[in-house]
Amino acid sequence: AQSVTQLGSHVSVSEGALVLLRCNYSSSVPPYLFWYVQYPNQGLQLLLKYTTGATLVKGINGFEAEFKKSETSFHLTKPSAHMSDAAEYFCAVSANSGNTPLVFGKGTRLSVIA
Amino acid sequence: KAGVTQTPRYLIKTRGQQVTLSCSPISGHRSVSWYQQTPGQGLQFLFEYFSETQRNKGNFPGRFSGRQFSNSRSEMNVSTLELGDSALYLCASSLAVGQAAYEQYFGPGTRLTVT
Repeated sequence: AQSVTQLGSHVSVSEGALVLLRCNYSSSVPPYLFWYVQYPNQGLQLLLKYTTGATLVKGINGFEAEFKKSETSFHLTKPSAHMSDAAEYFCAVSANSGNTPLVFGKGTRLSVIA
Repeated sequence: KAGVTQTPRYLIKTRGQQVTLSCSPISGHRSVSWYQQTPGQGLQFLFEYFSETQRNKGNFPGRFSGRQFSNSRSEMNVSTLELGDSALYLCASSLAVGQAAYEQYFGPGTRLTVT
C-alpha cells in the first residue's frame, strides 16, 4: 500500500525567496511520484512526475523535485517564488506497475508575500 | 482542444436526496476517474472507468456509484445524501487506464453542498 505525508499544511514565503514544499512517501514497491497544483476554483494540474531514471525532475513554471529513495522523499522546490505561485500543492504516489490509483497527500497551501 | 467539463459547477441538496454529476472528458480520452475533495480528508479516489467498465474502486460506501457511456462521458450518482457528502467532486480524464502511466487532466469540479 502507498501513502503520502506532506509536512506543513500552509507555507508562506516572500516573493523572490526559495520555495520548498516537503513530501514523504511510503510504498512497498518502487513508486511513481507526482506533484500537482490547484489554483482557486480550478481542478488539479500536473507540475511534474518521477517514474524511473534521473532522480531530479524538472516541471512546469520553474519547479523541480528530487527523488531520494534513502529518505523516501520527493520535495518540491523553486528558486524564486512569484506571486502567481500562490496555490495548493499536492504530492501523490502510485505503484509503478499495474493499475494502482494515485494516493494524494493532504496538500500544502503556498502563500507568497509581496 | 477543450478541457474536461463538469456539470453542474455548484449544487445544493437536502439530506436524503440523491444527486447525479456529469463529466465530459477531453476528446479522445477513454478513461475517467472521480475524486472527492474535502478539507478534512483531502483528495480521495472514488472510481475509474474505461471503455464503459469500472476498472478501480476506492473505499466508499455503495451509495456512491458511477457509469460511463460509449462516448466516454461519465456520470456519478450519490444516493441518500448525508451532510458529510458535502465536497468538491473532481473528474479527471486520461487517454487510457493506468493513472501512473497516463497523465490525468482534471476538470474544475462540482461543488456539492448538502443541507
